Amino acid sequence: GAGVSQSPRYKVAKRGQDVALRCDPISGHVSLFWYQQALGQGPEFLTYFQNEAQLDKSGLPSDRFFAERPEGSVSTLKIQRTQQEDSAVYLCASSSYRNTEAFFGQGTRLTVV
Amino acid sequence: GQQLNQSPQSMFIQEGEDVSMNCTSSSIFNTWLWYKQDPGEGPVLLIALYKAGELTSNGRLTAQFGITRKDSFLNISASIPSDVGIYFCAGLANFGNEKLTFGTGTRLTIIP
Repeated sequence: GAGVSQSPRYKVAKRGQDVALRCDPISGHVSLFWYQQALGQGPEFLTYFQNEAQLDKSGLPSDRFFAERPEGSVSTLKIQRTQQEDSAVYLCASSSYRNTEAFFGQGTRLTVV
Repeated sequence: GQQLNQSPQSMFIQEGEDVSMNCTSSSIFNTWLWYKQDPGEGPVLLIALYKAGELTSNGRLTAQFGITRKDSFLNISASIPSDVGIYFCAGLANFGNEKLTFGTGTRLTIIP
């Protein structure tokens, strides 16, 4: 497709369950970003990849959060032992070079019950 | 995490009115961006500002990069129904540091 694709669009997880969120960036985009958006808030940075290298993971809230991009294209954000406070929309964005040209996906809405 | 302060938090206007909103920070940013987010969608970039004092337009939208590098403003002229949504500012602190810091958002509603 032409845009950033995220799946699933919606995920309901029981507390303690592990989840994996997928991001398909725009073809050829070098940079990939994950953001977390809580209800009524602006997106908050989680982590950033340039190709397969994770250059910044300072925004990951705990060691339960893990992101990978093994072949420099598709990325997966994994959350282990989900907690209620993990409920949010997880946004993925990709860009060809600088973040200012990043295109966002529609997001995955995660609800932990 | 840090979020930029946006005001107003929400606006209720009539179609055809002009809109002004702003974004402030306690620290300096070298790039300011304005996004619009519709329900169930990701943010869409409206305007990017790269230089202090810069004034940039995109159709009915005009944004300015404050000279102190700690604020930015967005104006929408002659609002139309499709302007409804949430507007976010975002700042990039340093070249090479790709972490965007977003504002708290301004929700725009048009009263029929």
